[in-house]
Amino acid sequence: GAVVSQHPSWVICKSGTSVKIECRSLDFQATTMFWYRQFPKQSLMLMATSNEGSKATYEQGVEKDKFLINHASLTLSTLTVTSAHPEDSSFYICSARPARAGGYTFGSGTRLTVV
Amino acid sequence: GENVEQHPSTLSVQEGDSAVIKCTYSDSASNYFPWYKQELGKRPQLIIDIRSNVGEKKDQRIAVTLNKTAKHFSLHITETQPEDSAVYFCAASIARAGGTSYGKLTFGQGTILTVHP
Repeated sequence: GAVVSQHPSWVICKSGTSVKIECRSLDFQATTMFWYRQFPKQSLMLMATSNEGSKATYEQGVEKDKFLINHASLTLSTLTVTSAHPEDSSFYICSARPARAGGYTFGSGTRLTVV
Repeated sequence: GENVEQHPSTLSVQEGDSAVIKCTYSDSASNYFPWYKQELGKRPQLIIDIRSNVGEKKDQRIAVTLNKTAKHFSLHITETQPEDSAVYFCAASIARAGGTSYGKLTFGQGTILTVHP
């Protein structure tokens, strides 16, 4: 089946540093990747939609200069949390929809803890 | 934009009972409605989905119903088992004609289902 590989699965970083999260589509081309954030005991909230070869579309209230998204190829999208602060600690998860599949495929998620 | 409301936020049932979770959506253009099960720290797992041209879909103990006029859809789990305990999310999105392109998913708030042995 269609697989999205997400790395790292967890990361702890110091306040003020940047963290990059990668999502790779392993057996399909992902022209669009969706990035979600999930705080404890809450729902998945869409942060941005990345499109291969063009600028990402950010949801209202999401700082595009803080959450940098790059979708340079049809199989790789990255999310960089810049100047991370403790309030950025969350579960970040990507998702794509393979053309041949019936639904969305999710990455395994990244647990970010900023200390 | 789309807004999805999900109820109840928590649901506790005895093993063998049925569980029903309901969602409403606001955008009449939405035409794809998946349900996900998420265990702690894991990715959401698709358990069933329905498209707007269908009113009901069933897969063993799980069924989903859709009322386009009222803009609501429901998840029904029969003969619940302790391993059904998890957080369940409904979602809605817009799929283009032909099903070749899907827009962003908007999720409901989630329902914590607990099945007691």
